[in-house]
Amino acid sequence: AQTVTQSQPEMSVQEAETVTLSCTYDTSENNYYLFWYKQPPSRQMILVIRQEAYKQQNATENRFSVNFQKAAKSFSLKISDSQLGDTAMYFCAFMKNFGNEKLTFGTGTRLTIIP
Amino acid sequence: NAGVMQNPRHLVRRRGQEARLRCSPMKGHSHVYWYRQLPEEGLKFMVYLQKENIIDESGMPKERFSAEFPKEGPSILRIQQVVRGDSAAYFCASSPRRETTEAFFGQGTRLTVV
Repeated sequence: AQTVTQSQPEMSVQEAETVTLSCTYDTSENNYYLFWYKQPPSRQMILVIRQEAYKQQNATENRFSVNFQKAAKSFSLKISDSQLGDTAMYFCAFMKNFGNEKLTFGTGTRLTIIP
Repeated sequence: NAGVMQNPRHLVRRRGQEARLRCSPMKGHSHVYWYRQLPEEGLKFMVYLQKENIIDESGMPKERFSAEFPKEGPSILRIQQVVRGDSAAYFCASSPRRETTEAFFGQGTRLTVV
């Protein structure tokens, strides 16, 4: 079974600064997918970024980028130029294989952007 | 194109009553997942359904919980004889086809058992 660990329950950072959220996972699979989801107070789960394990290049989406270390089973999220709207819970998630597999989530990191 | 619609957004039930949670997937999506989020925790997988079929129910409690996704109409998660421990947010996600990693989430139903 897969496990996902987020060791930072809460973080806060000043607006415009850069913040990195940590995630580690455990799996015996070789091909898999990793995700970061954002959950603002509205509770809507919003996909932030996705990484395919077979791709060595780290995924980026505007101000969001990941540092994927496959050997270390580490998948951290970097948010650059943080904005007040980034305040939310952030969940790291794992998906085995390709083809409508279920997601395994970490326990989340509550990120607060301070004005 | 409307997103994944869940209703009701909030549901209050007394202990022993039944709770029915509805999920209408995005148009053209035939795969539905249900997840449960307990307070201060991440989402936990419950069940994966295609139209008229349960594909994976490995996360469903053995008793009192059931799910269906009929040929017509929304997917339903049913909880019989609810207990306080069932209080949680229940999320539905849908995806369009088997070979995809995309899952679109609804806004969830917050169930409170009093």
